[in-house]
Amino acid sequence: EVQLVESGGGLVQPGRSLRLSCTASGFTFGDYAMSWVRQAPGKGLEWVGFIRSKAYGGTTEYAASVKGRVTISRDDSKSIAYLQMNSLKTEDTAVYYCTRRRGWGDFDYWGQGTLVTVSS
Amino acid sequence: QSALTQPASVSGSPGQSITISCTGTSNDVGDYNYVSWYQQHPGKAPKLMIYEVSNRPSGVSNRFSGSKSGNTASLTISGLQAEDEADYYCSSYTSSNTLLFGGGTKLTVL
Repeated sequence: EVQLVESGGGLVQPGRSLRLSCTASGFTFGDYAMSWVRQAPGKGLEWVGFIRSKAYGGTTEYAASVKGRVTISRDDSKSIAYLQMNSLKTEDTAVYYCTRRRGWGDFDYWGQGTLVTVSS
Repeated sequence: QSALTQPASVSGSPGQSITISCTGTSNDVGDYNYVSWYQQHPGKAPKLMIYEVSNRPSGVSNRFSGSKSGNTASLTISGLQAEDEADYYCSSYTSSNTLLFGGGTKLTVL
């Protein structure tokens, strides 16, 4: 059974950094691109970025709204994807979902999400 | 890039069919057959319902179908059931190698 479990969320002050982790199980992690999607309270889904599998260079793409402030990385030996967020803003407050990228533009498995609250 | 455009809400009675539209541009929906649809119940993670415009993942009811014409994709739910009441989001791959979501549509089953 495919499982994605996010961790690392919590309350953080504006301007600080936070790293989220996504621990995967039930599939060959290294074969898949992984992505992060967020959802602000009461709002819609927003794609944050993804990291390709090593077979496709392990390269990353990011949404314009977070580019330069976030970094997605992966450790295939541990089946973990990371989302490093720097210079956090109040508008980064959201539930952050880890997702497995099935094809070019879709996500077939989602974690339960972890809440990040940016507030002083 | 702006979010894809979806109606804020749609409604229908049990047994009826409804269609949710998702309008983008020639840089996303219009240029790629990589449109997906997700269902999200309150407090839950989204669930993939349709991928690559019209394909259903294993386990998704055949009451859900997808299509596309030009820059607009559509999700149709036939034989509406109470459990279909949820938020629905479309998404599309873009020419910038990014992903865009729609603003979401709240489906109410009357």
